[in-house]
Amino acid sequence: DTGVSQDPRHKITKRGQNVTFRCDPISEHNRLYWYRQTLGQGPEFLTYFQNEAQLEKSRLLSDRFSAERPKGSFSTLEIQRTEQGDSAMYLCASSSLEGGGIEQYFGPGTRLTVT
Amino acid sequence: EDQVTQSPEALRLQEGESSSLNCSYTVSGLRGLFWYRQDPGKGPEFLFTLYSAGEEKEKERLKATLTKKESFLHITAPKPEDSATYLCAVQAGSGYSTLTFGKGTMLLVSP
Repeated sequence: DTGVSQDPRHKITKRGQNVTFRCDPISEHNRLYWYRQTLGQGPEFLTYFQNEAQLEKSRLLSDRFSAERPKGSFSTLEIQRTEQGDSAMYLCASSSLEGGGIEQYFGPGTRLTVT
Repeated sequence: EDQVTQSPEALRLQEGESSSLNCSYTVSGLRGLFWYRQDPGKGPEFLFTLYSAGEEKEKERLKATLTKKESFLHITAPKPEDSATYLCAVQAGSGYSTLTFGKGTMLLVSP
């Protein structure tokens, strides 16, 4: 299966702890996105990479959030000093500039619960 | 600011009972409108991209249409396995390709 993969699928942490999520995009997709989704809402954009460059960050992305894509392949999203309001599904998506397609393909998500 | 409104919030159908979901949007220069299906606890699954008014796309029992202000997802003779949340998203012509999503329509098809 060559789809987007995310790890872990579920994470339970205590308030104040740091967590890190990983996303592996579809091979050769040079664009990678992070979204956050809470219950009953659509996904909300967090940040976007083209290759290893982080080109856009949402106002939703506070200073406690940081994302990297060091070699233009996989990406990590770290949340420092987690708060209960950070509980959500964190989704990763990828797309390709090649062929003119603009569709984004999503991974299964990481469900974060902050207690 | 780009906005997407989906209606209804929830829809219950009997198997075989056709219906339509609505997605109204406001965007500065539409680059694309997308429909996704999302099952509980899973990531959104891509269904269609529509680029310009008048365009239509079909896949099995689903048909998506687009006007200048809204899109419809028509479901013909639905089956219980069509039960899911259907998400609509838009991508503006400017900016870095991010998607703005609606809240979705939760569809339940009963046998």
